[in-house]
Amino acid sequence: AQSVSQHNHHVILSEAASLELGCNYSYGGTVNLFWYVQYPGQHLQLLLKYFSGDPLVKGIKGFEAEFIKSKFSFNLRKPSVQWSDTAEYFCAVSSYSSASKIIFGSGTRLSIRP
Amino acid sequence: NAGVTQTPKFRVLKTGQSMTLLCAQDMNHEYMYWYRQDPGMGLRLIHYSVGEGTTAKGEVPDGYNVSRLKKQNFLLGLESAAPSQTSVYFCATSDTPTYEQYFGPGTRLTVT
Repeated sequence: AQSVSQHNHHVILSEAASLELGCNYSYGGTVNLFWYVQYPGQHLQLLLKYFSGDPLVKGIKGFEAEFIKSKFSFNLRKPSVQWSDTAEYFCAVSSYSSASKIIFGSGTRLSIRP
Repeated sequence: NAGVTQTPKFRVLKTGQSMTLLCAQDMNHEYMYWYRQDPGMGLRLIHYSVGEGTTAKGEVPDGYNVSRLKKQNFLLGLESAAPSQTSVYFCATSDTPTYEQYFGPGTRLTVT
């Protein structure tokens, strides 16, 4: 079955630390990849997306993600986190075989110590 | 341009009561989705619609019904609420099924 795995359930970092959140998927074929962010008490917002082209994608607020096709991965990175990055982060994947659906990972909660 | 709105924002139900959640969008998107979000389980798809008059089951459809009579509205119904349906419900829309989804603000439902 198609699935998306986020292995880090809760990550705690200090301000200015570097961040990498893992995302692996099990689709074959062509995929579209997304990272969404959910700030406390808010709805999900798109952070960045990959459809094709340069596998290193830059998003809002200094986030970036790298698509590594051979590893079925789309990890999210940020060189220096801020307290305001405290949120839950969801990786998501869609494909032309996923029947009109985007599959979301279970999320990673990021807590930043001021 | 409101985007995606959800009504109500909060609701408390007793077991066995019924209710309808409304999702409205002004983005002219064909695809609409209902998810529930529970701690540690991410987003789970309940039902979705690929266009006016169509609906389809998602990952966790039991206990819920949906209708899409108008393109801009997608209703989620609970006929007989159960405590297991306590959750935050999000509606989302998209222009195509493989592109990004736009989310509403959510409805927090508690069933006692």
